[in-house]
Amino acid sequence: DTGVSQNPRHKITKRGQNVTFRCDPISEHNRLYWYRQTLGQGPEFLTYFQNEAQLEKSRLLSDRFSAERPKGSFSTLEIQRTEQGDSAMYLCASSDRGTEKLFFGSGTQLSVL
Amino acid sequence: AQTVTQSQPEMSVQEAETVTLSCTYDTSENNYYLFWYKQPPSRQMILVIRQEAYKQQNATENRFSVNFQKAAKSFSLKISDSQLGDTAMYFCAFMKHGVPNAGKSTFGDGTTLTVKP
Repeated sequence: DTGVSQNPRHKITKRGQNVTFRCDPISEHNRLYWYRQTLGQGPEFLTYFQNEAQLEKSRLLSDRFSAERPKGSFSTLEIQRTEQGDSAMYLCASSDRGTEKLFFGSGTQLSVL
Repeated sequence: AQTVTQSQPEMSVQEAETVTLSCTYDTSENNYYLFWYKQPPSRQMILVIRQEAYKQQNATENRFSVNFQKAAKSFSLKISDSQLGDTAMYFCAFMKHGVPNAGKSTFGDGTTLTVKP
């Protein structure tokens, strides 16, 4: 069990650019979640997958955001035409079917200049 | 919609002493889970303790215990024999019970705890 891995750890980009983050969940976990955390606040749910199916998306996830989980393994979160308000820590978590216990990665810190 | 409120933005405690972090929540659900997560400066969120709403007995995990008051919608965390490694931000979280909701948690805004030597 190597834990949930997220890459990159930090990303600095200019406003208007596209960025993509990757999350590798714990291998036997079939559920994968994306959360966003801004400074001084708790994480906010963005979306989650069961295997390759995206089952729910928060209204926080505008049409500039897209998430995929091909083949039910790793997941990517892409933000198009980034805005300064997108600056945040993007957290990935995974869980096994039948359990509510989440395992979090270390997050990707996005800074949009 | 559920809300989770942590009214103490910052707290401090002397090493080896006991500290209690407060959390209240609002929900119309009857069956749910409550959690306390720890987020140290390294930023990786770690589950500390969880409570199932249908269980009256308060959960305990070594030095960590909760006081769950369902009618009052209160869920406090007590840390006994505080250690320097307990320094972190602590988040209270709520999750509705049931498969469609699994993993979709509502978090409070956190309490920063500093353990002083």
